[in-house]
Amino acid sequence: DADVTQTPRNRITKTGKRIMLECSQTKGHDRMYWYRQDPGLGLRLIYYSFDVKDINKGEISDGYSVSRQAQAKFSLSLESAIPNQTALYFCATSDPGSVVEQFFGPGTRLTVL
Amino acid sequence: ELKVEQNPLFLSMQEGKNYTIYCNYSTTSDRLYWYRQDPGKSLESLFVLLSNGAVKQEGRLMASLDTKARLSTLHITAAVHDLSATYFCAVDISSNQFYFGTGTSLTVIP
Repeated sequence: DADVTQTPRNRITKTGKRIMLECSQTKGHDRMYWYRQDPGLGLRLIYYSFDVKDINKGEISDGYSVSRQAQAKFSLSLESAIPNQTALYFCATSDPGSVVEQFFGPGTRLTVL
Repeated sequence: ELKVEQNPLFLSMQEGKNYTIYCNYSTTSDRLYWYRQDPGKSLESLFVLLSNGAVKQEGRLMASLDTKARLSTLHITAAVHDLSATYFCAVDISSNQFYFGTGTSLTVIP
């Protein structure tokens, strides 16, 4: 089984709808991240969390919110989706330490019409 | 504003040839990561470079880091078709936030 899973894998929704993307991990890592990927722009950090009580905004947090329900679960919400939030979304985890290597989930392709 | 720039953005090369991908970043950091992404897939970690002068090699790929020049390179030796993918570098400036380059899309032509 995959260490980092994301649901759903694909989602098409309409402008104004509320959407939640979920991420679960079995790696036992404390740190979790949400990124979006757009063609030609690489990955950009939306939010990150060091533990259940520690949530921080990333580079592009406007229009998004997150919830860290447990060490293993980190959800990303779009309260009122808009078309420019159409992107590929990745969840990642890492363990604190000298290396801080990130492990990525399979991604969620979100289309907002 | 931190910038992480990769070049080239697109690279088409023949099998058997050598080439280098460059990653420049605009702020002090001694942690740099290289990832590979296949079409429609997630990111796979290739190399973690943690200090000035670090060099890592895996198969036909070799990565290096020059923190003084704020430059990392990913060198491809004798390219094969299986190396076709998009390669990203990422800079970790505080063990908290990672800034990714725009990616280099590599196509190896038989």
